[in-house]
Amino acid sequence: ETGVTQSPTHLIKTRGQQVTLRCSSQSGHNTVSWYQQALGQGPQFIFQYYREEENGRGNFPPRFSGLQFPNYSSELNVNALELDDSALYLCASSSAPTGPYEQYFGPGTRLTVT
Amino acid sequence: EDKVVQSPLSLVVHEGDTVTLNCSYEVTNFRSLLWYKQEKKAPTFLFMLTSSGIEKKSGRLSSILDKKELFSILNITATQTGDSAVYLCALFNQAGTALIFGKGTTLSVSS
Repeated sequence: ETGVTQSPTHLIKTRGQQVTLRCSSQSGHNTVSWYQQALGQGPQFIFQYYREEENGRGNFPPRFSGLQFPNYSSELNVNALELDDSALYLCASSSAPTGPYEQYFGPGTRLTVT
Repeated sequence: EDKVVQSPLSLVVHEGDTVTLNCSYEVTNFRSLLWYKQEKKAPTFLFMLTSSGIEKKSGRLSSILDKKELFSILNITATQTGDSAVYLCALFNQAGTALIFGKGTTLSVSS
């Protein structure tokens, strides 16, 4: 059984640029959720994708967008990067879109915006 | 507003000690409470608790939920240096689509 994978591991971008982060879900899982974790904080929910559509969104502006593909993998896109976007971005996959269910996390992408 | 509060925020113990980590919550439409261990990057799933009073155990770790008093505890007995990590508590939001996390408890175990 393959776990959740994310790429890239680290990324450095300049303010105003755009970034795309990728996530492959665990085998057998059809739902992907994205979280942002700032230093010293718990992860914060960005959005969830199920059946290739957004299925719930946290308190993040529209410049955070995503996609889910037929193989359940997902992308997170962030436009017009700001310094406060520097964080660890975590992807989690699950076997259902609504709880209770276990969410399994990938290793994350560390984004630094300068 | 849904809220998860963990205490203490940090803890330093010696190898062999027993520790208790606390998680209190306010959430609309409780579904389940989850505990994760985060060492470097990926939070690793530990437990999911749905019913009050039923202890879940995995080796030296155990957890229990009290839905009347709205809290959960995570116990670690005979701590080892490998237990050093951030322990996160999370609950589902009202829609059941997202986890709401506490800030975590940073546990440091010294040898």
